[in-house]
Amino acid sequence: QSVLTQPPSVSGAPGQRVTISCTGSSSNIGAGFDVHWYQQLPGSAPRLLVYGNTNRPSGVPDRFSGSESGTSTSLAITGLQAEDEANYYCQSYDSSLSVWVFGGGTQLTVL
Amino acid sequence: EVQLVESGGGLVQPGRSLRLSCAASGFTFDDYAMHWVRQVPGKGLEWVSGISWNSGSMGYAESVRGRFFISRDNAKNSLHLEMDSLRAEDTAFYYCAKGLSRSHFYGSDYWGQGTLVTVSS
Repeated sequence: QSVLTQPPSVSGAPGQRVTISCTGSSSNIGAGFDVHWYQQLPGSAPRLLVYGNTNRPSGVPDRFSGSESGTSTSLAITGLQAEDEANYYCQSYDSSLSVWVFGGGTQLTVL
Repeated sequence: EVQLVESGGGLVQPGRSLRLSCAASGFTFDDYAMHWVRQVPGKGLEWVSGISWNSGSMGYAESVRGRFFISRDNAKNSLHLEMDSLRAEDTAFYYCAKGLSRSHFYGSDYWGQGTLVTVSS
């Protein structure tokens, strides 16, 4: 069981908007540790999508955005495209465990 | 262009040791923390270990603490993971990842393609 909780799957039609939640606790997200989001396409290494809760690295489309609220954060993807079909992971740091923690991953299906 | 190339994976018997390496290029290696993250095929990501820019701080997942040891050679732009007392449950793809900052508490912006470690008799 992952320290950070994500929905196992989400889906949406092309052009639609989906959100993926990431819920933690007072020792990670709630303690103020930043959340980062990664996209993993089948057969590929993870790719950073959002860092520091809301920041996008250069080259990441502005269709991807992060938001935060208390002990949870969310990744929003607007204007869904077929190539967005992938697994998405949130990650933070947990001060009580002294480790990086990941969410269990969310499989995005573009209908 | 940032490049991270892992090596050293392979088939190893339970109880034996293996040393993974990661050759880094395209950035100032000693300005950033580095990490190892593993993934069982078809499963999620699991952080294994991280090391700060100057090796002053390191961290390990509970599942590998006392068996795995991370190190870096800033002169050679390389990261290593010494894995001892390997178990079947250590079987996974192992990714080398560049940290976003000098501290190993933060996230990662580049990942290698991974090297497969299979622990089996």
